[in-house]
Amino acid sequence: GQQVMQIPQYQHVQEGEDFTTYCNSSTTLSNIQWYKQRPGGHPVFLIQLVKSGEVKKQKRLTFQFGEAKKNSSLHITATQTTDVGTYFCAFPGGGSQGNLIFGKGTKLSVKP
Amino acid sequence: NAGVTQTPKFRILKIGQSMTLQCTQDMNHNYMYWYRQDPGMGLKLIYYSVGAGITDKGEVPNGYNVSRSTTEDFPLRLELAAPSQTSVYFCASSFMRNEQFFGPGTRLTVL
Repeated sequence: GQQVMQIPQYQHVQEGEDFTTYCNSSTTLSNIQWYKQRPGGHPVFLIQLVKSGEVKKQKRLTFQFGEAKKNSSLHITATQTTDVGTYFCAFPGGGSQGNLIFGKGTKLSVKP
Repeated sequence: NAGVTQTPKFRILKIGQSMTLQCTQDMNHNYMYWYRQDPGMGLKLIYYSVGAGITDKGEVPNGYNVSRSTTEDFPLRLELAAPSQTSVYFCASSFMRNEQFFGPGTRLTVL
């Protein structure tokens, strides 16, 4: 079945440092979504990428979808303590299924 | 719009007890989902529904049941609670396979 690997599992950074998390799939993805979950909170949608090679920015966050549509990354420039949380990638389950498959997430901690 | 609401927020069950976790959305979304999240772990799909009257198993359906009689509601039933079902349960909804909107979660402990 479809598998996605999300790395790293944990990342500890000093405030102001950059952060990147990666999702790598064994198969071509039709699209990929990114979510953020604050400690004790629920996942919140950040963005969806659909096109090969797509790059989207949201303030200090940059999202990329690989040319082959098998990998994606989320990069945060100059982290702040408000960036703390777990970042998940998610992509559609195969065939006619209606579900999303979530990566295991990257937990980001930021030291002030 | 309230979005996705879940009740209760917290619950402690004894082994063997039953309960229903309620989930309601007011966005007229056709897709609804139930996930569980164990401490420090990712989301595991329990069941999902692509419309009223249609439900499908996810990755971890054993020990749970669902129904979808209306577009708005998607309750999750635990019949014989076991300690392995201690988790945080999230309900979510979406329009087709677009962004999912999550509820605040139900924190369940089975003792």
